[in-house]
Amino acid sequence: TQLLEQSPQFLSIQEGENLTVYCNSSSVFSSLQWYRQEPGEGPVLLVTVVTGGEVKKLKRLTFQFGDARKDSSLHITAAQPGDTGLYLCAGVRWGANNLFFGTGTRLTVIP
Amino acid sequence: ETGVTQSPTHLIKTRGQQVTLRCSSQSGHNTVSWYQQALGQGPQFIFQYYREEENGRGNFPPRFSGLQFPNYSSELNVNALELDDSALYLCASSLLAGGNTDTQYFGPGTRLTVL
Repeated sequence: TQLLEQSPQFLSIQEGENLTVYCNSSSVFSSLQWYRQEPGEGPVLLVTVVTGGEVKKLKRLTFQFGDARKDSSLHITAAQPGDTGLYLCAGVRWGANNLFFGTGTRLTVIP
Repeated sequence: ETGVTQSPTHLIKTRGQQVTLRCSSQSGHNTVSWYQQALGQGPQFIFQYYREEENGRGNFPPRFSGLQFPNYSSELNVNALELDDSALYLCASSLLAGGNTDTQYFGPGTRLTVL
């Protein structure tokens, strides 16, 4: 059982479309991270959000941490084929050093 | 490229066998964490090693054990392999300072198949 549930599990969209991935939990986290993982590779950190309500932008990607620190979202504007991959959210609980990963969202952007 | 390396890349074993996976951490890091990623799922925390001692453990049985060496590289050992142990095993290195772990950098993983 994973603490963080992501939705949707799979997403296939056309190049240029916008999309949002959700990461939800009933637990509170001190911080939340988003990773992207490509086949044959380990997850690569995209962003860390640490303050409830925080919004961070990374080019076409916008990350938000929920006010209650239990959920997060990733919004991609004008998706490109290079955005294809497995997107993982991961939470850090107070007093712990390990990451609790979400269930993952597999994104395919069709040219 | 993170500087974290893992070996071997792929491994095939049969039920009941034992396996050892290896991880070399990034220069300057003192902590290694191991995760198991089953097909189609997110990684699950196995355990973490800090300065050669276990520093936290997830919900995995004792047949999953580990070591960290003075150069901070690490091994994951799994005894009595079961079919459900088939997964991608990821190690992540980080710097633990002041009780808080810095960003974790992941290696490419070892794909273990148990037949």
